Amino acid sequence: DAKTTQPPSMDCAEGRAANLPCNHSTISGNEYVYWYRQIHSQGPQYIIHGLKNNETNEMASLIITEDRKSSTLILPHATLRDTAVYYCIVRAYSGAGSYQLTFGKGTKLSVIP
Amino acid sequence: GAGVSQSPSNKVTEKGKDVELRCDPISGHTALYWYRQSLGQGLEFLIYFQGNSAPDKSGLPSDRFSAERTGGSVSTLTIQRTQQEDSAVYLCASSPSGVGLDTQYFGPGTRLTVL
Repeated sequence: DAKTTQPPSMDCAEGRAANLPCNHSTISGNEYVYWYRQIHSQGPQYIIHGLKNNETNEMASLIITEDRKSSTLILPHATLRDTAVYYCIVRAYSGAGSYQLTFGKGTKLSVIP
Repeated sequence: GAGVSQSPSNKVTEKGKDVELRCDPISGHTALYWYRQSLGQGLEFLIYFQGNSAPDKSGLPSDRFSAERTGGSVSTLTIQRTQQEDSAVYLCASSPSGVGLDTQYFGPGTRLTVL
């Protein structure tokens, strides 16, 4: 499985853009990058995913470098409710028909008033 | 429709007792996953169901852990002779097909505390 590396924590001022980086230098050609977040005491919440092209939805934008070795999740206008642990995940295929998600430690984003 | 639900939300048990954790996936989702999250750690995959069968049990930490799924819907994770190291939040997720790259949707989890 490709591994991901994320900073353990980041702060962002409320109303500003939050840019969360992720390194996945060993990603293979058919693996996607997924982002989930986990707000305290809740289950993980899907945010966005992508392969090569930049993606945008109502929650966030995902920017993937041309060599696909890193990506950045952008929350354009962070609010206090965006305080959470953000997980960057490379989608793994175990070979047994399972597409389980492999979570690392993630980045704890603190949005500051 | 309703999301993934899990019960109980909290369970406190004594070491050596058996516990059952329940997951109700999103209606129509054929794939179901169990994960657990120990304090301060990331999520650890336990088992995957496609329909009622479990093609991937590779994450179950010991033979004290078992899971079943009936009617392609509800799943139960059973831990026998619980140990203190079993204390964690147990999360269930479901996805529409379990193939390709369909999105997994998580429930709120069951917090298990073994005294």
